[in-house]
Amino acid sequence: QLQLQESGPGLVKPSETLSLTCSVSGDSISSSTYSWGWVRQPPGKGLEWIGSIHYSGSTYYNPSLKSRVTISVDTPKNQFSLELSSVTAADTAVYFCASRVFSGPHAFDIWGQGTMIIVSS
Amino acid sequence: SYVLTQPPSVSVAPGKTARITCGGNNIRSKSVHWYQQKPGQAPVLVIYYDSDRPSRIPERFSGSNSGNTATLTISRVEAGDEADYYCQVWDSSSDHYVFGTGTKVTVL
Repeated sequence: QLQLQESGPGLVKPSETLSLTCSVSGDSISSSTYSWGWVRQPPGKGLEWIGSIHYSGSTYYNPSLKSRVTISVDTPKNQFSLELSSVTAADTAVYFCASRVFSGPHAFDIWGQGTMIIVSS
Repeated sequence: SYVLTQPPSVSVAPGKTARITCGGNNIRSKSVHWYQQKPGQAPVLVIYYDSDRPSRIPERFSGSNSGNTATLTISRVEAGDEADYYCQVWDSSSDHYVFGTGTKVTVL
């Protein structure tokens, strides 16, 4: 069964770049079965899609974040990553990685547990 | 960009039916998916393609989509159904996922 696990620094300083990794177990990240994504949730607020990457390498980003976001895949490590540059306090949130079956609905059916990121000096 | 609007809160007595709406322009033309999120946990997909249920989700959860409103219905509500619920669509015109504003369901 596919499982996802986020890892990250916990605390990031304003103006720096946030880097998160999602480790995939139970299948290969290069499998054509899945698409991979990142979703975040500021404290007490709703879900916000950040971006997604397909097995082909195609990426799709939320337009509100597009200028600051990069999502990539590390096949040897079976991981995918999120980089968010020039962070501010508004980027403080729980960050989830998630997956969807590529041939299925555009819905995330497997989620990581989430990792809290605080932007503060 | 496409916007999905949900009521902030819905209250329901145990054993009754909860209906959570998700409004969007001509939403019937899109596939709507629903998530349940309990405090401190990741979201769980409870309905996909408007009305299909993952095998692990109870039959008490159902969905519909018509006109400008999609609806998640929870029948015979239990205390364990208390959670936040989010609708979500894929906006194919812009290749974006869009989440609704979220609804907190309180079981009285």
